[in-house]
Amino acid sequence: NAGVTQTPKFQVLKTGQSMTLQCAQDMNHEYMSWYRQDPGMGLRLIHYSVGAGITDQGEVPNGYNVSRSTTEDFPLRLLSAAPSQTSVYFCASSYSPGQRDSPLHFGNGTRLTVT
Amino acid sequence: GENVEQHPSTLSVQEGDSAVIKCTYSDSASNYFPWYKQELGKRPQLIIDIRSNVGEKKDQRIAVTLNKTAKHFSLHITETQPEDSAVYFCAARLRPGAQKLVFGQGTRLTINP
Repeated sequence: NAGVTQTPKFQVLKTGQSMTLQCAQDMNHEYMSWYRQDPGMGLRLIHYSVGAGITDQGEVPNGYNVSRSTTEDFPLRLLSAAPSQTSVYFCASSYSPGQRDSPLHFGNGTRLTVT
Repeated sequence: GENVEQHPSTLSVQEGDSAVIKCTYSDSASNYFPWYKQELGKRPQLIIDIRSNVGEKKDQRIAVTLNKTAKHFSLHITETQPEDSAVYFCAARLRPGAQKLVFGQGTRLTINP
């Protein structure tokens, strides 16, 4: 298994541009989530999904959209990039409690800079 | 609201000494408490976790304790080694049956040789 795969690893955007961060997992995990990591702020939850067709907001959802059309994929869309969205983004997945109890598995992260 | 507080934000110990990191959570219904280690430039990786029906769990030099009454849990690392230097995050699942994890702010642990 490849685990959780994120692309790209690095990205530079100009203010106002849009882009999609890709996340895929091959572990048949129902639960997928996106976090952003900023110095001194820990990992803050942006959006999450408990299964295909179901998404919900986390702590810091503004400026981001998600969709979950398949179990494997959970893309994160930045609608109009702002410098405040400069961060490291992590996708993470796990089984749902109804499937099997398991910890979060993280991808390798995407480092995004918005100028 | 949903909240996990982690202290200290930085910790420096001599090699061979013990390190303790503490977290508190707000929701008494929380039932799952993992700890993650993140090395520089890498992704967070699970090192140990504990569930609310257990008071303590050990794995070699690492242990986690949980005090449900006080709503806090702690990570203990004994006989620290240089490779223990990293950022450590605590987290809590704030609702039984939910999968969402809320993370603490992180502790940067430095082991001095």
